[in-house]
Amino acid sequence: ETGVTQSPTHLIKTRGQQVTLRCSSQSGHNTVSWYQQALGQGPQFIFQYYREEENGRGNFPPRFSGLQFPNYSSELNVNALELDDSALYLCASSQGQADYGYTFGSGTRLTVV
Amino acid sequence: AQSVTQLDSQVPVFEEAPVELRCNYSSSVSVYLFWYVQYPNQGLQLLLKYLSGSTLVESINGFEAEFNKSQTSFHLRKPSVHISDTAEYFCAVIMNSGYSTLTFGKGTMLLVSP
Repeated sequence: ETGVTQSPTHLIKTRGQQVTLRCSSQSGHNTVSWYQQALGQGPQFIFQYYREEENGRGNFPPRFSGLQFPNYSSELNVNALELDDSALYLCASSQGQADYGYTFGSGTRLTVV
Repeated sequence: AQSVTQLDSQVPVFEEAPVELRCNYSSSVSVYLFWYVQYPNQGLQLLLKYLSGSTLVESINGFEAEFNKSQTSFHLRKPSVHISDTAEYFCAVIMNSGYSTLTFGKGTMLLVSP
């Protein structure tokens, strides 16, 4: 059973650029959630995808967008990067919307300069 | 909406001493409760969770937490800590009705020294 894999592990971008982060779900999981963890803070919910549809969103602007593919892998896209977007981005997968067995990846550390 | 409060940002403790990490939550509906651990430069690992049944839940590495509904708390305890327990600990809740997602506290850094 594979876990959740995220890529890349680290990334440096310039303000105003766009970035795409990737996540491969744990085998058998059809739900993916993305979280932003700023330095010294707890993770904040960005959005969740269930069977390729966004079914929940946190308090993040539209420049944060995502996709889920038929194999349940997922992407997080952020446009017009701002300095405050610097954070650890975590992906979590689970089986179904009401399953509480979330498995987290190791995250992508994004630095915006 | 629900929220989670972890009052202690940092808890220093000596090896083999007991420790308690505090977590209080606020919610208009009943919730499920979780503790996650995060080691440096890593993602989150589930330590233990309370969904129903016995209010005392245990992890495989000696941690335990007790759900107290009247005090809206879910404190994490370990009777004797090891150096390897040094990590950030996050308490989280999720509503047990309808669609919901994990809401995390700000975390407590457990620092175990020899």
